[in-house]
Amino acid sequence: DQQVKQNSPSLSVQEGRISILNCDYTNSMFDYFLWYKKYPAEGPTFLISISSIKDKNEDGRFTVFLNKSAKHLSLHIVPSQPGDSAVYFCAASAVRGSNYKLTFGKGTLLTVNP
Amino acid sequence: NAGVTQTPKFQVLKTGQSMTLQCAQDMNHNSMYWYRQDPGMGLRLIYYSASEGTTDKGEVPNGYNVSRLNKREFSLRLESAAPSQTSVYFCASTRDSPEQFFGPGTRLTVL
Repeated sequence: DQQVKQNSPSLSVQEGRISILNCDYTNSMFDYFLWYKKYPAEGPTFLISISSIKDKNEDGRFTVFLNKSAKHLSLHIVPSQPGDSAVYFCAASAVRGSNYKLTFGKGTLLTVNP
Repeated sequence: NAGVTQTPKFQVLKTGQSMTLQCAQDMNHNSMYWYRQDPGMGLRLIYYSASEGTTDKGEVPNGYNVSRLNKREFSLRLESAAPSQTSVYFCASTRDSPEQFFGPGTRLTVL
């Protein structure tokens, strides 16, 4: 049973527009959420995170929104750039007593067209 | 700082052969993790080590063993490789937060 779901395998947007990547989770114990970016033949790199006590976290062009009642989070990239083209993974952790284990979604391939 | 390093980068094995994937981090992190990534499957946790001297199973531990050699190094061993273990393997580490740092990966093919 998938506890973290990214239902869109791919997303294509025009340069300069907004990219919105979505993620749903089922485990109510998750209290910390992260987004990772992965280029081909490289390891995932941490992008942005949010604690369950917040509903928004912003870092430059990247904003993550958390809707706990809907068990849904989203990553907004504004404006999108061709260098943002990569696979984006949503991950979740139940911080207390979990040894910081992460559960990942299957990823969304973002393509930003010039 | 090199961060998290993994060796080898690529490996081809025949069914039944054994091998050890090496991982080292130079960030003085306490916890280390091994994941596998398969097409369309995301990253799945194989084993992890919360601190030096401890190891625990993750979501998909069957067919693997691990050793936390010291604080820096965490190795993953395949005793008898199977084609189902063809995958990309990532090592990660963290000090005391969920934000894990990942290595560049090992691409393993089992024929």
